[in-house]
Amino acid sequence: EVQLVESGGGLVQPGGSLRISCTASGFTFSSYSMNWVRQAPGKGLEWVSYISSSSSPIYYADSVKGRFTISRDNAKNSLYLQMNSLRAEDTAVYFCARGGVTGRDLAQWGQGTLVTVSS
Amino acid sequence: DIVMTQSPDSLAVSLGERATINCKSSQSVLYSSNNKNYLAWYQQKPGQPPKLLIYWASTRGSGVPDRFSGSGSGTDFTLTISSLQAEDVAVYYCQQYYITPYTFGQGTKLEIK
Repeated sequence: EVQLVESGGGLVQPGGSLRISCTASGFTFSSYSMNWVRQAPGKGLEWVSYISSSSSPIYYADSVKGRFTISRDNAKNSLYLQMNSLRAEDTAVYFCARGGVTGRDLAQWGQGTLVTVSS
Repeated sequence: DIVMTQSPDSLAVSLGERATINCKSSQSVLYSSNNKNYLAWYQQKPGQPPKLLIYWASTRGSGVPDRFSGSGSGTDFTLTISSLQAEDVAVYYCQQYYITPYTFGQGTKLEIK
């Protein structure tokens, strides 16, 4: 069974940093692209970042470019999102999602981890 | 960026009736070299992560009931639920993956009438 488990969320002050993680199981992690998608409280979905199976290419939404860094460790079946210079508008549940048949659709999702940016 | 616009924002349909949700992209998501539309549909129930329903605009995801179907091409797409079941109450999102950023529609909330 495919499982994606996010961790590392929490409360952080504006301007602060946080790294969230996603641990995968039940499939060959190194063969799939991965994404981060976020959802602000009561709002819709916003795609944040994409990383291919080999870590190149990498793409970001304009709203996080230069502040967030996606990475992966295929040996540890893990995906990461390093978030710096956090703003109140970054407050959201962050989902990791595995690429599907097309390589770009989001076929499997974790339950998400909540990141709250507030003083 | 490609803007995805869904209509309506909310919809109430009787059990057993048809539900139709529309999605329009600000530019074509049809890739001419393979004739595929880079468009997906997701279902999100309260308190749950989204679930992939449809990819390539019309291909059902694994385990998705056949009452869900997707259609359309280019810039105009439709998700149809042929006979609404109680468990279909959810918010539905379209998403283009033609070009980054992979943008979502604003969502359509589907309820029982």
